[in-house]
Amino acid sequence: EIVLTQSPGTLSLSPGERATLSCRASRSISYSYLDWFQQKPGQAPRLLIYGASSRATGIPDRFSGSGSGTDFTLTISRLEPEDFAVYYCQQYSSSPVTFGQGTRLEIK
Amino acid sequence: EVQLVESGGDVVRPGGSLRLSCAASGFTFDDYGMSWVRQAPGKGLEWVSGIDWNGGSTGYADSVKGRFTISRDNAKNSLYLQMNSLRAEDTALYYCARGWNQDFDYWGQGTLVTVSS
Repeated sequence: EIVLTQSPGTLSLSPGERATLSCRASRSISYSYLDWFQQKPGQAPRLLIYGASSRATGIPDRFSGSGSGTDFTLTISRLEPEDFAVYYCQQYSSSPVTFGQGTRLEIK
Repeated sequence: EVQLVESGGDVVRPGGSLRLSCAASGFTFDDYGMSWVRQAPGKGLEWVSGIDWNGGSTGYADSVKGRFTISRDNAKNSLYLQMNSLRAEDTALYYCARGWNQDFDYWGQGTLVTVSS
């Protein structure tokens, strides 16, 4: 199975700062079948980015995704208070579907 | 509006069985593959099982293979997960999600399964 490793485990930043989250795959992900999700406490995950770089419906343009092959990045250009949450990457290029372990974005 | 509503979660003893359901509305159900994803308390997300649009193809995580069975009834716009031989490590919030070999673009709010003696 493809193992997704997210870094850092926890990221402490202030509102207005830029956040860069990394997701590295144990082998290449085909067709950029790599998505990013946001999860807030007590809520279901929400799709942010699909196909590595396309924003899902209703997602603000401060969220962007990039990367291909084995290295992917989620960038939040200017953090808003509502962006502090846990972020997961996920691949469905190869069975089984796998998720990264998550990056917790916390207020500094 | 797309809605996914899970039900069937409960407290069950180790070795017991449970059947989860997910009622879908707001979209053409048989146009999509569907999945179950779980989240143990305080932990990350784990894909459990997926099924294609007509039930002709299914997939399972190794951790549940041989114990869980996914199915769907397109006439009832419903997804199911039959869970047998439950273990303590199956304790989690179980989410229904639209998507399998495609983006998981909508999720329900989850149903809680607790396996405990």
